[in-house]
Amino acid sequence: DAGVIQSPRHEVTEMGQEVTLRCKPISGHNSLFWYRQTMMRGLELLIYFNNNVPIDDSGMPEDRFSAKMPNASFSTLKIQPSEPRDSAVYFCASRRTVMGEKLFFGSGTQLSVL
Amino acid sequence: AQKITQTQPGMFVQEKEAVTLDCTYDTSDQSYGLFWYKQPSSGEMIFLIYQGSYDEQNATEGRYSLNFQKARKSANLVISASQLGDSAMYFCAMRGENQGGKLIFGQGTELSVKP
Repeated sequence: DAGVIQSPRHEVTEMGQEVTLRCKPISGHNSLFWYRQTMMRGLELLIYFNNNVPIDDSGMPEDRFSAKMPNASFSTLKIQPSEPRDSAVYFCASRRTVMGEKLFFGSGTQLSVL
Repeated sequence: AQKITQTQPGMFVQEKEAVTLDCTYDTSDQSYGLFWYKQPSSGEMIFLIYQGSYDEQNATEGRYSLNFQKARKSANLVISASQLGDSAMYFCAMRGENQGGKLIFGQGTELSVKP
């Protein structure tokens, strides 16, 4: 069984550029989450989807961030324009929407904005 | 609002000894779940153990057990017979029944196992 697949693993970009992070959840999982991890703020939930519908995007830092889930097998997190303070590890995670069901994480995307 | 607190930024333990990582939580939900994840230096997030708020017994998974004290709102992770490979960050997390399914995490505890 393939796990949650994220791409790219590493992204280095310059301030002002658009960045798109991609995620393929585990087949059969109907909830998808985007987290950001930094030393200062720990693991922050940015947004999550149930059945491809965004449920809570209150963690999205600002309008520069947007996320989509056009179908059950694909999601993107876009930052436009990127800033150095966006540098972090971005995790995608998925699970079935059942109480107690654990969250499966992807390997993360290490983003560096110069 | 929900909150998870891990008060130990770093812990040391001697190999083969047991160690307890603290986690307290706050929620107004009657039904909720508590999770522990491990993050080694390689960066991946590894699920360790789950405890439901209505589970009568403390959860156990191999060398991991969860000391669940509902009245005190604590869900401490106990690792028995520590191994060098247990050195990692450990995160406590919670999901409440009325929170739409989202999982929130504590700040983490960095565990170092000494040979």
